Amino acid sequence: RKEVEQDPGPFNVPEGATVAFNCTYSNSASQSFFWYRQDCRKEPKLLMSVYSSGNEDGRFTAQLNRASQYISLLIRDSKLSDSATYLCVVNIHPGRRALTFGSGTRLQVQP
Amino acid sequence: GAGVSQSPRYKVAKRGQDVALRCDPISGHVSLFWYQQALGQGPEFLTYFQNEAQLDKSGLPSDRFFAERPEGSVSTLKIQRTQQEDSAVYLCASSFQPPVLAGGTDTQYFGPGTRLTVL
Repeated sequence: RKEVEQDPGPFNVPEGATVAFNCTYSNSASQSFFWYRQDCRKEPKLLMSVYSSGNEDGRFTAQLNRASQYISLLIRDSKLSDSATYLCVVNIHPGRRALTFGSGTRLQVQP
Repeated sequence: GAGVSQSPRYKVAKRGQDVALRCDPISGHVSLFWYQQALGQGPEFLTYFQNEAQLDKSGLPSDRFFAERPEGSVSTLKIQRTQQEDSAVYLCASSFQPPVLAGGTDTQYFGPGTRLTVL
């Protein structure tokens, strides 16, 4: 079993749609959680950190459920420019600084 | 200010050749990380430096992989006797990582990567 698991997609949605991505992680002691965005042939870029109480940044909302070891990302009013791969990222082993990445979920927003 | 830079951006090597990949982190960033990203996968951790000290090299896949950061700034990832399975994008990331931060990790900023193709 992978330490961070995501549905690879692709998710094909029309502009304006709401789409949600889910991610599970294996270690209940994990401390830091992030969503990164990666465009084709580009480096990953931080989209948002995920906090225990949930957090929102414009059209993006992230939720963390520690009991279920589950993270989600909700994108409202999808734009063509949201098309990318979304990487769920966890500091799986808090005693180490390494990040563990999921394989990514590909989103394609269509006109 | 400038972000993380990496060179070369693309490298083609014949199997058995040695390669050296360079990373210039964001100025003032204490922590530096190397990751390997295979096609269609997320990045996988290779190694981590805090200043010049290599504190974690648990992700290096074999003793052919070696990394250094001698002056606590620029880092080099060296791969000896390259094999076809080494073909991947090698990403460098840096973070500020205040020394009093207890547990967890702060935001890592990634460079554009070096795409290595071994023929």
